[in-house]
Amino acid sequence: RKEVEQDPGPFNVPEGATVAFNCTYSNSASQSFFWYRQDCRKEPKLLMSVYSSGNEDGRFTAQLNRASQYISLLIRDSKLSDSATYLCVAPNPPGGYNKLIFGAGTRLAVHP
Amino acid sequence: DAGVTQSPTHLIKTRGQQVTLRCSPKSGHDTVSWYQQALGQGPQFIFQYYEEEERQRGNFPDRFSGHQFPNYSSELNVNALLLGDSALYLCASSFGGAIVRGNQPQHFGDGTRLSIL
Repeated sequence: RKEVEQDPGPFNVPEGATVAFNCTYSNSASQSFFWYRQDCRKEPKLLMSVYSSGNEDGRFTAQLNRASQYISLLIRDSKLSDSATYLCVAPNPPGGYNKLIFGAGTRLAVHP
Repeated sequence: DAGVTQSPTHLIKTRGQQVTLRCSPKSGHDTVSWYQQALGQGPQFIFQYYEEEERQRGNFPDRFSGHQFPNYSSELNVNALLLGDSALYLCASSFGGAIVRGNQPQHFGDGTRLSIL
């Protein structure tokens, strides 16, 4: 089992739609997680951090379910500019020195 | 405030050659991590440098080596290049400090796109 797994997509949604991505992780001791956004052929950029049950930032909501070991990212009112690959990330080892374990990413395409 | 800078942006090499990639961390950061991202995959951790020493290493062969300088900048060296080494190489910086916990996000540079012919 991979340490961090994501549905690769692509998710094709119209503008204004609400879309959710899930990510599962294998290390039950993991405490914090990140969502990064990566545009085509660009570097990953931090979107959100998830330290407890969840986090909300504008149209973006991240939730953590420790019992089921998954993290979700919800995007409301999708914009064309949201089209990107979303990477789920867990630090490893938990509480350790910033070694990040990335999922393969979920592709989102928002169309007019 | 300069972010993470990497050079070169693109590089073409042939099998068997050696390559050196460079990274300058974001101002105020002292820890540099290197990642390899193959097409269609998430970044894979290569190693991390702190206080001029390799602190952690991922599942990469010894052909991959690195160095960190007193000014916190870093180099990634890859020897005996293989076709499979073609990828985007990302450098990420963070503040390590004496006690580091895995809660800190990392800031990535634009990457070096390495193509092996």
